[in-house]
Amino acid sequence: EAGVVQSPRYKIIEKKQPVAFWCNPISGHNTLYWYLQNLGQGPELLIRYENEEAVDDSQLPKDRFSAERLKGVDSTLKIQPAELGDSAVYLCASSLGGGRTYEQYFGPGTRLTVT
Amino acid sequence: DAKTTQPPSMDCAEGRAANLPCNHSTISGNEYVYWYRQIHSQGPQYIIHGLKNNETNEMASLIITEDRKSSTLILPHATLRDTAVYYCIVSPDTGRRALTFGSGTRLQVQP
Repeated sequence: EAGVVQSPRYKIIEKKQPVAFWCNPISGHNTLYWYLQNLGQGPELLIRYENEEAVDDSQLPKDRFSAERLKGVDSTLKIQPAELGDSAVYLCASSLGGGRTYEQYFGPGTRLTVT
Repeated sequence: DAKTTQPPSMDCAEGRAANLPCNHSTISGNEYVYWYRQIHSQGPQYIIHGLKNNETNEMASLIITEDRKSSTLILPHATLRDTAVYYCIVSPDTGRRALTFGSGTRLQVQP
């Protein structure tokens, strides 16, 4: 079974440019998460989806970040315009959801460098 | 979610058991202890979880103290591939909740 797929793996852009990250979760997983991981720190949640609905986006900087999960499967995270401080690894994860599932499955992440 | 405290780093000799401690003195009755690890340049990987009983799977064992205020993750025979950052996370029983990661323990397995 394929795991969580993310692309691109690496992205280098100049500040003020837009950038988008794509995530394909594990088939059948209703819950999808985007996390941000700064160097030397643990991941932090940006947004969580239940199917196509964003149920927790309190940590998403909405002035420049946006996300969507059309048809409750793939998801895209966008930054426009990017700032130097956005340089980080962006991780996507998915889980079955429901009341008694414990594991989140993570993709390899997209490493963003803003110059 | 309850806060966890882990040592920032540990070393272990290859083939020996690695014992990674975690303190979670404010854990609530409905909160589980989860362990994830992150190998360099990869996303975090689930290892094991438990509520109050000790748990074992093919990857590791989890020992939770009777008062549930601390736990230990045991890798019985560490290999070089176990070198990673290990995160102890406390969270209620649900698959719909984001994980709150701390700084974790960086385990270095030495040959």
